[in-house]
Amino acid sequence: GAVVSQHPSWVICKSGTSVKIECRSLDFQATTMFWYRQFPKQSLMLMATSNEGSKATYEQGVEKDKFLINHASLTLSTLTVTSAHPEDSSFYICSARPGVAGSTEAFFGQGTRLTVV
Amino acid sequence: GDSVTQMEGPVTLSEEACLTINCTYTATGYPSLFWYVQYPGEGLQLLLKATKADDKGSNKGFEATYRKETTSFHLEKGSVQVSDSAVYFCALRLNTGGFKTIFGAGTRLFVKA
Repeated sequence: GAVVSQHPSWVICKSGTSVKIECRSLDFQATTMFWYRQFPKQSLMLMATSNEGSKATYEQGVEKDKFLINHASLTLSTLTVTSAHPEDSSFYICSARPGVAGSTEAFFGQGTRLTVV
Repeated sequence: GDSVTQMEGPVTLSEEACLTINCTYTATGYPSLFWYVQYPGEGLQLLLKATKADDKGSNKGFEATYRKETTSFHLEKGSVQVSDSAVYFCALRLNTGGFKTIFGAGTRLFVKA
């Protein structure tokens, strides 16, 4: 099956710094990528949808200036958590949808665990 | 709005017991339905899916049938193993307007030897 890779798998950073998380589709082109956030023992909440070459669409309540999303190519999307605070500590997961007409499949990365200290 | 409701956990079973995790959904149109599994410390893995009414998804002994009349997609397995211990998420994906995936809250399964 199609592979989506996230990097890093885990990261610890200090309060006030910024952290960038990469999401790559390794063997297909992804016209759309999704970013989710998962708090401990909770479900995944969609943060934003990004389409290659255009601005991301953020879900209600998600600060777009805090969670910067860039989808500059068909195989790479990045999520940057700016001025991170301990409450931003969470598990972040991306998924990517192939750019094939009629495809509704989406493939998930392995997730990135962010800890802000 | 569109949503997924699944039974609360945790569910604790003995090895070889039968498993059912209930899942119902609310959606406009005709979504695709999925079950994902998440092992401790890992990301999501697709377990099975069904794209239209009456379709049955199956994988690794797990099954779920897309029931449009009851808007349900219950996950079943006849004999669970310790290695099945994980969190299971029911999800729907809209086939229009951005193809978002909406997840249920997740059900944690513990299987005892």
